[in-house]
Amino acid sequence: SYVLTQPPSVSVAPGQTARITCGGNNIGDKSVHWYQQKPGQAPVLVIYDDRDRPSGIPGRFSGSNSGNTATLTISRVEAGDEADFYCQLWDNDSDHVVFGGGTKLTVL
Amino acid sequence: EVQLVESGGGLVKPGGSLRLSCVASGFTFNMYSIIWVRQAPGKGLEWVSSISSSTFDIYYADSLKGRFTISRDNAKSSVYLQMNSLRAEDTAVYHCARDYYDSNGVWYFDLWGRGTLVTVSS
Repeated sequence: SYVLTQPPSVSVAPGQTARITCGGNNIGDKSVHWYQQKPGQAPVLVIYDDRDRPSGIPGRFSGSNSGNTATLTISRVEAGDEADFYCQLWDNDSDHVVFGGGTKLTVL
Repeated sequence: EVQLVESGGGLVKPGGSLRLSCVASGFTFNMYSIIWVRQAPGKGLEWVSSISSSTFDIYYADSLKGRFTISRDNAKSSVYLQMNSLRAEDTAVYHCARDYYDSNGVWYFDLWGRGTLVTVSS
């Protein structure tokens, strides 16, 4: 089955740029979505279809996807951005939803 | 208010059963697929099952091996997850989420419930 690989953790200082990667075989050929989950809360969609933002999500959040890596980029990171982030896609070959293992973003 | 609310979680012994419910409000429920996702304590998100708006398409994670059954009642704006032969490793918060199909033909989960905790322990 299709596997998505994320780094367990990413740390960044306030005001800097955080980049969270999601690796998968030819992931650039698929649509990738990103979710933010703060402790004790439900996940929230922050990027869909590689690079689109739902209404209400700040423009500081952006996404890209090419080759074997999709990336979530958070510019001008704020303390309130600290959370776990998950990438996700639909694997057509197995008809399964696939989540990455998640990345904990720490704001130093 | 547009929302999904899960219920039915609790403490159950290994080998027991539970039925989770997910009730929707604030949107046209019968137009959407719904999924269940679980999260074990301190772990990541794990997809469990999906059901289409008409129930024509139903999918399960391979790890469940036929122990779970998803269903829905559009008249009650509800989706259910029947869980049998429960194991300690099924202990998790179970979230339901709305599966949104956009104009580009892409599916993603745009609305989530807060979840219900299932604890399997003797």
